[in-house]
Amino acid sequence: DIQMTQSPSSVSASVGDRVTLTCRASQGISSWLAWYQQKPGKAPKLLIYAASSLQGGVPSRFSGSGSGTDFTLTISSLQPEDFAIYYCQQANSFPFTFGPGTKVDIK
Amino acid sequence: EVQLVESGGGLVQPGGSLRLSCAASGLTFTNYWMSWVRQAPGRGLEWVANIKQDGSEKYYVDSVKGRFTISRDNAKNSVYLQMNSLRAEDTAVYYCARRGLTGDWVGSWGQGTLVTVSS
Repeated sequence: DIQMTQSPSSVSASVGDRVTLTCRASQGISSWLAWYQQKPGKAPKLLIYAASSLQGGVPSRFSGSGSGTDFTLTISSLQPEDFAIYYCQQANSFPFTFGPGTKVDIK
Repeated sequence: EVQLVESGGGLVQPGGSLRLSCAASGLTFTNYWMSWVRQAPGRGLEWVANIKQDGSEKYYVDSVKGRFTISRDNAKNSVYLQMNSLRAEDTAVYYCARRGLTGDWVGSWGQGTLVTVSS
């Protein structure tokens, strides 16, 4: 199975900050990567697919990049509604696996 | 708007069985692979099972193989997860999930149903 790691495990940031989250796959997955946002008590929400494509309705302050084994999710200007846990997920081969998540909280 | 509504969760004893259901609306159900994804309390996400549009292909994570069965009824726009020989470690919120249009990510999620395995 492909293992996914994320760093940092948590980050404290202020509204307006630029935040960059990292995801690494244990083997190359081309661009078969997605990013999700999850708020407490809610289902995850798809933000980015195919490493860099923005899901419809997601604000343009979210962007994704990377290919192969190393990927990033960037929030260009953090908003109050962005405080959440962010997960990456590889879609290269089954079982599709998720990273452990990065919690973004208020500084 | 796509809606996925799960039902069937609850408390069950170790070794018991449950059947989860997911009713889909707002989409052409037969166009999509469907999946179940779970999340143990306070933990991360785990992809449990996938089923192809016509039900001809099914995939399971190793931890549930031989115990869980995914199925679908396209006439009812529904997908199911039969869970047998349940263990404490199966305790989780189970989400019904619709595959993305262009890849194996989750384009739409249900609200989740909690399964608790405990004596």
